[in-house]
This record gives sequence, structure tokens and C-alpha cells, in this order.
Amino acid sequence: GAVVSQHPSRVICKSGTSVKIECRSLDFQATTMFWYRQFPKQSLMLMATSNEGSKATYEQGVEKDKFLINHASLTLSTLTVTSAHPEDSSFYICSAREGTGQGTEAFFGQGTRLTVV
Amino acid sequence: KQEVTQIPAALSVPEGENLVLNCSFTDSAIYNLQWFRQDPGKGLTSLLLIQSSQREQTSGRLNASLDKSSGRSTLYIAASQPGDSATYLCAVSKAAGNKLTFGGGTRVLVKP
Repeated sequence: GAVVSQHPSRVICKSGTSVKIECRSLDFQATTMFWYRQFPKQSLMLMATSNEGSKATYEQGVEKDKFLINHASLTLSTLTVTSAHPEDSSFYICSAREGTGQGTEAFFGQGTRLTVV
Repeated sequence: KQEVTQIPAALSVPEGENLVLNCSFTDSAIYNLQWFRQDPGKGLTSLLLIQSSQREQTSGRLNASLDKSSGRSTLYIAASQPGDSATYLCAVSKAAGNKLTFGGGTRVLVKP
């Protein structure tokens, strides 16, 4: 299947700093990518839908000024956690679909473990 | 609002036994359903994708069925192995290119 690469896989940062996470579709173009957050032993919670060349669509309750999303090309979306706090510590996963037609399969990155100290 | 439920939440079986994982969804107007595997601290690996018009999909020891009208899907894993130990997630997609709604997952342990 298609490959989605996420970087970094693990990051530790100090409170108040910003962290950028990259999500790349390696062998296909993705006009839409998705960012999820996962707490320990819980399922994935969709944070936002990243649209190439336009503003991201955020889910209810997700602060768009805190979680900045940029989708500048058809193969790259970035999530920046601004002014990070310990409660932002979590596992962040991105996803992309190959194509937009009916029945397209979703592929996921390896995830990023963020720890804010 | 679509809700996806997976039962059981956890499952422990001896090696060689067949696994049966259940997934139910409240809104039958879906485009497709996908089953994923997640190992601890890792991302998701796509296992099977079933289109709304299909009844089942097979890949090796894995078989997934879909009954859209009743809002159910079942993932069967034949002759389980310790390497099958992981969390299995199902997710439904309501529209093409649209976001996935996930179930809570079933944590599987296959004992040698």
C-alpha cells in the first residue's frame, strides 16, 4: 500500500515552546490529510482535516490557534503545537488518502509521541 | 452522528484459536469500512478495506465481513499466533475522501 511518513517519531520539549510535526505522503499525492490525537489506551480522536492550499477544518473543541496546520504541497502537511503545555503530551498521528474517489483507502503515519516537560 | 462500537474491548486466547472481533456502527450510510492493526506506541497498519457494496474481504488468515443494513462488521483471524497480539480498530467512512470515525478498539493477546 501507499506510504505515509511522519517525523519526528518522538519529541520532548519544554513548556511554552512550539513543536512542529511533519506528515508526508511518499508515493502519492494527497489533497487531504487528517490529524489525530490518541490518549493512552483510547481510540483516535480527529483533530482537524488538512486541505492542500486552503485552511484546515478543525473539529469542535480543538483550538486552531494552538494547533496550527499547514498543507503547502500535495505531499506535505505540518502540525505545529504552539506554546506547548504538559496536557498537550499525547500521541499524534496523521493520515492521508490516495485519491478522493469513493472507496479510497486511508494510510497512516507512524505517529509522534510528544512529551511536554 | 455516527458512532462506532467494538466488542469486546479486550480478548485473550491461546495460540491456534480463531479470533472473532466485532464492530458495529449506528449510521448505515457509509462508503467503506476499514480494519486496522496498531502495535503499542506505533501508527496504524491497514488490514482490510471493504466497500459499502461488498459483503467481505479476505487477505491471508484475515477475513472481514460487512452487513451494512444492520450496521455490523466482523473480523476473523484464523489460527491465531502470538504475533497477532495488538489492538485492532475498525473505522467507517461516510463520504469519499471524508474523515474516518473509529471504534474504541479491541486489545488482543495471543498466548503461546
